[in-house]
Amino acid sequence: EPEVTQTPSHQVTQMGQEVILRCVPISNHLYFYWYRQILGQKVEFLVSFYNNEISEKSEIFDDQFSVERPDGSNFTLKIRSTKLEDSAMYFCASSPGQGKGSGYTFGSGTRLTVV
Amino acid sequence: DAKTTQPNSMESNEEEPVHLPCNHSTISGTDYIHWYRQLPSQGPEYVIHGLTSNVNNRMASLAIAEDRKSSTLILHRATLRDAAVYYCILRDATNAGKSTFGDGTTLTVKP
Repeated sequence: EPEVTQTPSHQVTQMGQEVILRCVPISNHLYFYWYRQILGQKVEFLVSFYNNEISEKSEIFDDQFSVERPDGSNFTLKIRSTKLEDSAMYFCASSPGQGKGSGYTFGSGTRLTVV
Repeated sequence: DAKTTQPNSMESNEEEPVHLPCNHSTISGTDYIHWYRQLPSQGPEYVIHGLTSNVNNRMASLAIAEDRKSSTLILHRATLRDAAVYYCILRDATNAGKSTFGDGTTLTVKP
C-alpha cells in the first residue's frame, strides 16, 4: 500500500536554528498538508498546499514557517528560527483530491525537539 | 469549521462489537464524515468516510443518521490492536483546506 514518508523520524535542534522537515507524499496525490501534535495535545492543522501554493493556513503558521514542493516529489516544512514551543510531532499528509471527500494518508511523523 | 462532539473515552471487551458515536449537528451539505484513529506513538490513520449512506470496509462500518447530524463508527469485533484514539472529523468536499481534529475518543480494549 502506498505510504507517505517523512524524514527524519527524530530531529533535535537548538533554539534559534532553522530546521527542514521532509515528506514524500503519495505520487498521484494532489493535496498536501502539515499538522502538528504537541505531546498530550490535539492534532493541529498547520497548512494545506495545492497547485504549488498554500490554500489555507492556521494561526500557528506564522512568518517563521514556510512550505515548498521543490521537485515534484518532496514536500518540505521549514521553521526559520525554532522556539522551545515548536517541540512537537509534525505529521505530513496527502490526499488524492477533494472530490467525494477523499481521505488523508498521514506519514509516521517527525518528532522535533528544540533545546 | 463544523464541529464534532465525541465521548472522551470508551471501553470494550476483546472480541465484542464497539459503537463509537459522533455528533455533528452543524454539518453542511458538502461535508463528508471521516473517521481516523491514532495508535500510540503513530500518525493518524484513515479508517472510513461517508456522505449519506452507510459504508463498510475491511476495518469498520460507518452508520450515518438520516439527518446526518450524527454518525457511529462500528468495529465489529474489537481486538487489542484497536486500542487507539478515534477521531470523527468533517471534510468539505469543495474546499482543499483544513480539517479540524477534536479531542477524539480514547478506546480501551480489555482482554
